[in-house]
Amino acid sequence: SQTIHQWPATLVQPVGSPLSLECTVEGTSNPNLYWYRQAAGRGLQLLFYSVGIGQISSEVPQNLSASRPQDRQFILSSKKLLLSDSGFYLCAWSTRGSYIQYFGAGTRLSVL
Amino acid sequence: AQSVTQPDIHITVSEGASLELRCNYSYGATPYLFWYVQSPGQGLQLLLKYFSGDTLVQGIKGFEAEFKRSQSSFNLRKPSVHWSDAAEYFCAVGAESGGGADGLTFGKGTHLIIQP
Repeated sequence: SQTIHQWPATLVQPVGSPLSLECTVEGTSNPNLYWYRQAAGRGLQLLFYSVGIGQISSEVPQNLSASRPQDRQFILSSKKLLLSDSGFYLCAWSTRGSYIQYFGAGTRLSVL
Repeated sequence: AQSVTQPDIHITVSEGASLELRCNYSYGATPYLFWYVQSPGQGLQLLLKYFSGDTLVQGIKGFEAEFKRSQSSFNLRKPSVHWSDAAEYFCAVGAESGGGADGLTFGKGTHLIIQP
């Protein structure tokens, strides 16, 4: 069966510090991968998606970037965090051609 | 571009009562529609989906939803709620042209509170 892992679960970072959140998927090959951010009362906002290694599409220009160094690994990064980067970050995957997305448990990021 | 509206930010229901959560979408072609549930501090779990065919779809945990094209709606229902149903519920739509690759558009969610 397929599983998705996100870590860390919780992160507190000072303004201006770097960020690296990691997501890995097991039990499937060539998945589509997604990063969403969830801010209080604002639902889920799609940040990045990837259909393959090194292929990243950005939905919202911002202080964040994403990379996919391996088929089942998706990383969300920032060089310098802003207060506005605080939120709940969710990674998701889907099989090619499917609209059904499966979500990880999320990372709660607090930028202070 | 597609959009999803969940008009109710909070809904309070007594345990054992029936539930309906509203969802309206805006999309020019045939939508792919989803309901997800999120427990506090957790990821999202798929409750049910509609792609085509029978407009009344059954999901997990006793939930169902009905697709009404004329009303651009996909409302979620449950005949009798349990305290464990307290959570955040999200309606989402997928863009057919994207083939599933370019993500889903989510509503802002409805927070369900269950009264004893």
